[in-house]
Amino acid sequence: DAGVIQSPRHEVTEMGQEVTLRCKPISGHNSLFWYRQTMMRGLELLIYFNNNVPIDDSGMPEDRFSAKMPNASFSTLKIQPSEPRDSAVYFCASIQDTKVTEAFFGQGTRLTVV
Amino acid sequence: QKEVEQDPGPLSVPEGAIVSLNCTYSNSAFQYFMWYRQYSRKGPELLMYTYSSGNKEDGRFTAQVDKSSKYISLFIRDSQPSDSATYLCAMKGTWRGATNKLIFGTGTLLAVQP
Repeated sequence: DAGVIQSPRHEVTEMGQEVTLRCKPISGHNSLFWYRQTMMRGLELLIYFNNNVPIDDSGMPEDRFSAKMPNASFSTLKIQPSEPRDSAVYFCASIQDTKVTEAFFGQGTRLTVV
Repeated sequence: QKEVEQDPGPLSVPEGAIVSLNCTYSNSAFQYFMWYRQYSRKGPELLMYTYSSGNKEDGRFTAQVDKSSKYISLFIRDSQPSDSATYLCAMKGTWRGATNKLIFGTGTLLAVQP
């Protein structure tokens, strides 16, 4: 398996633009997470899906953020409109429910909003 | 107060030194305690985990959990330059509806000098 695949790897956009981050989890994994990492706040959980259903979105900072998982092999995180303070590295991770301690992370998307 | 607290460092040690990394937490429902390692511009990878209290050893790495003090540690013996990375503690509980929710510390940046 190729692991968790995220795209794009880097994204530079202007304030006010819509940004869509994409994630393909490992086949057979039941749970998918979106995290945001910054120097100041570390790795923050934004939203967590189980069997394609959003279970906990309490970490989503504002209504500008939304996430979907239309099927078991694809998820998106959208920011509309984007702001400079959204600049961070966004990670997607997936877990197989029978191995609940090992989350596999993608390479991340480095987002810069100017 | 954050659920998981971790000193961000940076921590610089000479090659061969014993390294001690620590986290404290506030949620007594946490049952699984994990350490992830993150190299620069990569996603975190699971290093080792412990369930409930006690010690676990894996080669040069030892993880300790003291649930009475809500304190976990990772020890690295005979540290090597290749150990230079950010080390993140992570925790999860088994409460209903959030069985796979992983909460991370901010990470400690470790540099092992040759």
